[in-house]
Amino acid sequence: GQQVMQIPQYQHVQEGEDFTTYCNSSTTLSNIQWYKQRPGGHPVFLIQLVKSGEVKKQKRLTFQFGEAKKNSSLHITATQTTDVGTYFCAGPLSSSARQLTFGSGTQLTVLP
Amino acid sequence: DTEVTQTPKHLVMGMTNKKSLKCEQHMGHRAMYWYKQKAKKPPELMFVYSYEKLSINESVPSRFSPECPNSSLLNLHLHALQPEDSALYLCASSQYGLAETYEQYFGPGTRLTVT
Repeated sequence: GQQVMQIPQYQHVQEGEDFTTYCNSSTTLSNIQWYKQRPGGHPVFLIQLVKSGEVKKQKRLTFQFGEAKKNSSLHITATQTTDVGTYFCAGPLSSSARQLTFGSGTQLTVLP
Repeated sequence: DTEVTQTPKHLVMGMTNKKSLKCEQHMGHRAMYWYKQKAKKPPELMFVYSYEKLSINESVPSRFSPECPNSSLLNLHLHALQPEDSALYLCASSQYGLAETYEQYFGPGTRLTVT
């Protein structure tokens, strides 16, 4: 079936190191969203990408949407302990704009 | 106010019990959602309400019964659940657009344990 995969599943980094998670969809997406879920918390919206090849930055976070609109990435520069959590991409795989399918997630641990 | 509230925070119920989860938002959002999330897994969509009408049911078993009494409230009625239904149940809301996808605001969730 249609799905959204993320790699890696887990990532441990030393504080100050960079981190990247990759998201791949089995189908072309009209848009892709990224969410962060802290341990014990709930998903919090980070950003939405709509255009092919789009790049957006939020301070140390850089988000990219692939040219074919089937993949995306999130890069964090110089990680901090506050970056700990699971990062999910999510996109509408079906014809309904409200039917989001979440990626499998990347759990980030930042070691001080 | 960008908060989605959910009650209760924790719920333990037996397989013969009937209970309800509640969700409320005051952002004027006309789309509301129920998700189920198992440990170390992504949220899985269960139901979507658009303008208080059920628009998406992701083949959820009938022991889960959603209800949207008004534009601010969303309930999930639970009956005869199974232990494998134990999970974090998340409510979310968003603006409504026919063809647009909007950011979703999630509540803190109800952690449900079925014994």
